[in-house]
Amino acid sequence: EPEVTQTPSHQVTQMGQEVILRCVPISNHLYFYWYRQILGQKVEFLVSFYNNEISEKSEIFDDQFSVERPDGSNFTLKIRSTKLEDSAMYFCASSETRGNYGYTFGSGTRLTVV
Amino acid sequence: GESVGLHLPTLSVQEGDNSIINCAYSNSASDYFIWYKQESGKGPQFIIDIRSNMDKRQGQRVTVLLNKTVKHLSLQIAATQPGDSAVYFCAENYHNYGQNFVFGPGTRLSVLP
Repeated sequence: EPEVTQTPSHQVTQMGQEVILRCVPISNHLYFYWYRQILGQKVEFLVSFYNNEISEKSEIFDDQFSVERPDGSNFTLKIRSTKLEDSAMYFCASSETRGNYGYTFGSGTRLTVV
Repeated sequence: GESVGLHLPTLSVQEGDNSIINCAYSNSASDYFIWYKQESGKGPQFIIDIRSNMDKRQGQRVTVLLNKTVKHLSLQIAATQPGDSAVYFCAENYHNYGQNFVFGPGTRLSVLP
């Protein structure tokens, strides 16, 4: 069964450092997403991406965040200057079609900011 | 493994019994709902979905009920198995053809032998 792959599974970084979280969506999917889940809290939408541009973003996705599809397979989330409160599980997801269908999530990257 | 949702409401059921997990959603305009299962260390996994023009949908061992009057969703799991132990989230979509799902807080299902 096709999977969304995320690397690394766990990343530790110092406050103020830049991090890049990487995702390989399912190959025929066209829509890509990032969600995050702070420990003990609900899953929260960050951003959706289609046709090489952001289509929706939440209030959480401020100027410190950016996304990129640098090639035909990777989808990345960059946090420019990490804060302690950025510590969370970050999930990438992808979907084949636009519209309200479910997506496939990756297993997540645990980001720990120290 | 990953421990998600340390302070979640927990439902404990005996193996073989039926489970009912409830969710109150927030927006009366939401028109599409999904139940996700999240096992320790993994991302949310799609279980079943329902659109607002329906009030019941059945899958394999799972049934989702939607009550739009009180903005309530439930997930019923028949003959609960140890592999069903996980955190279950409902998610709603309230932008027609939009991409943003709003997740509920989650319920931890614990299946007792």
